[in-house]
Amino acid sequence: EIVLTQSPGTLSLSPGERVTLSCRTSQSISSGYLAWYQQKPGQAPRLLIYGASIRATGIPDRFSGSGSGTDFILTIRRLEPEDFAVYYCQYYGASPWTFGQGTKVEIK
Amino acid sequence: EVQLLESGGGLVQPGGSLRLSCAASGFTFSSHDMSWVRQAPGKGLEWVSSINDNGGNSYHADSVKGRFTISRDNSKNTLFLQMNSLTAEDTAVYYCARNAGTHWGQGTLVTVSS
Repeated sequence: EIVLTQSPGTLSLSPGERVTLSCRTSQSISSGYLAWYQQKPGQAPRLLIYGASIRATGIPDRFSGSGSGTDFILTIRRLEPEDFAVYYCQYYGASPWTFGQGTKVEIK
Repeated sequence: EVQLLESGGGLVQPGGSLRLSCAASGFTFSSHDMSWVRQAPGKGLEWVSSINDNGGNSYHADSVKGRFTISRDNSKNTLFLQMNSLTAEDTAVYYCARNAGTHWGQGTLVTVSS
């Protein structure tokens, strides 16, 4: 099983700041199978990025993904008020799929 | 518009069974793999089960293997999760998702308690 470790656990930031979230996998994976999700309280997750760097339909271009091998990054270029949420990375290359434990981006 | 609507959640006693359904619309259901993902209260996301487009192959997390069964009825555009031998650790919101997670339902809450 591939374990995903996200860091940091929580980020306290102000609107307008740049955000960098990390996801590290326990073994090298194809970047084609790494996704990022955003989840707000009481809502289902929303797909932001798939294939490590491809924005899903309707996702603003302030969100970008990068990385390869075991290290992947989600960047939010300039935080908007609606971006405060929990972010998860996911590996979906083969069973079992796995999720990171999440990074909470909260208002400072 | 892609829509996924889960149903069948509720309160069940330990050792009991429950069958979740997910009604799909707005896309060609029979052309897509489908999955169940759960989230325990205040916790992160946990993949539960996946099934391929024609139902010929399915996969389950070790935590539910032998107790849960994923299936689908492509003639009714519906995904199912049969859950048996439920324990308190199965208490969660259960989401159905298209493919790996391009679209998600709103979730249905399963509470296992006496």
